[in-house]
Amino acid sequence: QQQVKQSPQSLIVQKGGISIINCAYENTAFDYFPWYQQFPGKGPALLIAIRPDVSEKKEGRFTISFNKSAKQFSLHIMDSQPGDSATYFCAASITGTASKLTFGTGTRLQVTL
Amino acid sequence: DTAVSQTPKYLVTQMGNDKSIKCEQNLGHDTMYWYKQDSKKFLKIMFSYNNKELIINETVPNRFSPKSPDKAHLNLHINSLELGDSAVYFCASSQLTGTGGYNEQFFGPGTRLTVL
Repeated sequence: QQQVKQSPQSLIVQKGGISIINCAYENTAFDYFPWYQQFPGKGPALLIAIRPDVSEKKEGRFTISFNKSAKQFSLHIMDSQPGDSATYFCAASITGTASKLTFGTGTRLQVTL
Repeated sequence: DTAVSQTPKYLVTQMGNDKSIKCEQNLGHDTMYWYKQDSKKFLKIMFSYNNKELIINETVPNRFSPKSPDKAHLNLHINSLELGDSAVYFCASSQLTGTGGYNEQFFGPGTRLTVL
């Protein structure tokens, strides 16, 4: 059972364009939603994260939009650059002693010149 | 000044062998994790230790045994390796206590295990 569904599986965007990756979750107990960026041969690195008490969080060119009622959240990358080409994972967890991250299936983003 | 380090980076071995992967973090975190990333890039948690105590133990074959000698180290030992164990294994760490539960996890560079 995939608790966090992510789409699209892959995405090609032109330089300067907007990249949008979507995630949907099932467990309403989730209360922390991070996005991780992974370059080939490297471990995932936290990019940006949001709590459900806000609907949007922006850090530089990266924005998370969160819709609690729809149980969906998305990552928007503005002015996409070739250096943004990587695999992006959404994740969700429940605050507590276990706090395990449940990851989406990943989106491979390619930003072309 | 690597935050989370893993050794070895690559591990090639025969079916049936026993192997270990080591992980160390110098972030002072109280919690460490092992994840498995399969060929389709899917990341799934295997184990987690908080202050050397096992707190997450997902449905993983008992051929996999984690060991945490102290808060800064979490090793993974795998017995009787099988072809299906081939994957990239990531160690991660986070600080759960005193941070309001923000589970920002820092990942190591991964260990690519290939079982022949």
